[in-house]
Amino acid sequence: AQTIHQWPVAEIKAVGSPLSLGCTIKGKSSPNLYWYWQATGGTLQQLFYSITVGQVESVVQLNLSASRPKDDQFILSTEKLLLSHSGFYLCAWRDISGNTLYFGEGSRLIVV
Amino acid sequence: GQQVQQSPASLVLQEGENAELQCNFSTSLNSMQWFYQRPGGSLVSLFYNPSGTKQSGRLTSTTVIKERRSSLHISSSQTTDSGTYLCAMERNTGYQNFYFGKGTSLTVIP
Repeated sequence: AQTIHQWPVAEIKAVGSPLSLGCTIKGKSSPNLYWYWQATGGTLQQLFYSITVGQVESVVQLNLSASRPKDDQFILSTEKLLLSHSGFYLCAWRDISGNTLYFGEGSRLIVV
Repeated sequence: GQQVQQSPASLVLQEGENAELQCNFSTSLNSMQWFYQRPGGSLVSLFYNPSGTKQSGRLTSTTVIKERRSSLHISSSQTTDSGTYLCAMERNTGYQNFYFGKGTSLTVIP
């Protein structure tokens, strides 16, 4: 069975500090991977997607970047956090046949 | 503008009543999906339903592509159904971009 793990579960970070959020998918080779962000009370927005190692496409940047260093790993990062980065970050995958989206448990970020 | 409109924004039901949640799309779509968002924020897939009707237990999803709409019917609601229901659409095959609605907040009271 496929599992998706996100880390960290939650973080409180200072404005201007760096951030790295991670996502690992086990039990599935060559998945399509996605990063989503949801402000408190807001709509889920897709940030990035990747269909293969080393390739990432931006949908909405929000001064964030993403990388896919391994087939099963997706990283979201920034060198300088803004207050507006606060929210809930979700990683998702689906297989290449392109049907159901499956989400991780998410990482909650508070920027102070 | 908002590509996915969900209605109602919130709904309060007595346990045992039925619920009908709607999702309307402003553009043509290739596929859509219904999710339940847990209070902690994670999403559970309920239906991948590009067209037609699908049922799982007390939940039924109906998507009419030509009319750009989808509905989620919950029969005999239970308190454990409380939470937020989201729908998402994908515009074109291989587009890899999903648009989410703002959700319907459902509260079922005993």
